[in-house]
Amino acid sequence: GQQLNQSPQSMFIQEGEDVSMNCTSSSIFNTWLWYKQDPGEGPVLLIALYKAGELTSNGRLTAQFGITRKDSFLNISASIPSDVGIYFCAGQTGTASKLTFGTGTRLQVTL
Amino acid sequence: KAGVTQTPRYLIKTRGQQVTLSCSPISGHRSVSWYQQTPGQGLQFLFEYFSETQRNKGNFPGRFSGRQFSNSRSEMNVSTLELGDSALYLCASSPLPTSNEQFFGPGTRLTVL
Repeated sequence: GQQLNQSPQSMFIQEGEDVSMNCTSSSIFNTWLWYKQDPGEGPVLLIALYKAGELTSNGRLTAQFGITRKDSFLNISASIPSDVGIYFCAGQTGTASKLTFGTGTRLQVTL
Repeated sequence: KAGVTQTPRYLIKTRGQQVTLSCSPISGHRSVSWYQQTPGQGLQFLFEYFSETQRNKGNFPGRFSGRQFSNSRSEMNVSTLELGDSALYLCASSPLPTSNEQFFGPGTRLTVL
């Protein structure tokens, strides 16, 4: 099945550092979503983006919907230990509920 | 408001058996989608149900089926289990099929021996 390209695949950072990750697709999406998944749990929705060029923040998280509608970016500022987990982007087209997910970025935060 | 609940959380089956997984959406949500998560393929869409009707289906064999009840609860069934069906099966709910934001349950971890 299709997966979106997400990079980096994994990151090891120190507490307090900023983090950037991105997601690219060969297809256009109308909505981009960012999720975080902790071990043994389902993904939790962090940010939803609905318009090309849109920049949206949720606390220390900021995400952008690329103007080509084929990419999206997520930034985490001043990382803390609880930011550890796997971050997934997901794209959605039209009125279909089907989400196409990225390959994931595993984030590790060291003290 | 309670989140999406899935039962059971863990399941062990042997090849050739069948399995039924259950999902209760967030109260008031009427659309339920199912996803399979494996290390190799990541998160893949299985199907979506709304008003007891399948609206959308992913690229999975016919051994994977589902249904939705009038109270929006959903079940998925996998028949003639194969080793490759071992995965985390996730259910997500949203108010309507056109709602962009989907909320996931904790998943059912299926192991096929």
